[in-house]
Amino acid sequence: GAGVSQSPRYKVAKRGQDVALRCDPISGHVSLFWYQQALGQGPEFLTYFQNEAQLDKSGLPSDRFFAERPEGSVSTLKIQRTQQEDSAVYLCASSLRTGNSGNTIYFGEGSWLTVV
Amino acid sequence: GNSVTQMEGPVTLSEEAFLTINCTYTATGYPSLFWYVQYPGEGLQLLLKATKADDKGSNKGFEATYRKETTSFHLEKGSVQVSDSAVYFCALIFYNFNKFYFGSGTKLNVKP
Repeated sequence: GAGVSQSPRYKVAKRGQDVALRCDPISGHVSLFWYQQALGQGPEFLTYFQNEAQLDKSGLPSDRFFAERPEGSVSTLKIQRTQQEDSAVYLCASSLRTGNSGNTIYFGEGSWLTVV
Repeated sequence: GNSVTQMEGPVTLSEEAFLTINCTYTATGYPSLFWYVQYPGEGLQLLLKATKADDKGSNKGFEATYRKETTSFHLEKGSVQVSDSAVYFCALIFYNFNKFYFGSGTKLNVKP
């Protein structure tokens, strides 16, 4: 597609509910990233994929957070038993390849999660 | 550790005023530096970047110079427009690493 697409754009979840956030990266992009952006803060790294391999998940805040990219394209970020502190914008980003800071990383518009 | 510090906002300017948004960083190596912009309701967009010391990134009238001696990457624009109103994020990334470290963002309001 033309850009990184995320869905849903907005999600309200009751505390304890499971949610799944979807990311469609730009076609052909090898690298895919998830970031969490709390209100009034900068994005913070969650996890990174190269194709289907999850190479870094050091930013996932707890074992309630799980991400996958089974076929090396679409990715899903799943949050189990949501808590109020999970309320944030979840940003997905992709780039053509990794290992080169000259590559442009493209961000999606984000999925806004509110846990009530 | 690695971190980015930006001046707190909001910054409110009149149209055609000069803009500076300060950004300093702490890094354990030699990162590349970026400015991203986020317009209301939109995703982050790359504004400019610099990959080594003394490089100047520029785009749409914005400029920033990678200053290793002062560990800074201040964003400047000579004459802002109302359409520049947005949140600006300074960020760093290391070659062959895959995570950005972002500052907390600086909101810019430009009044006509």
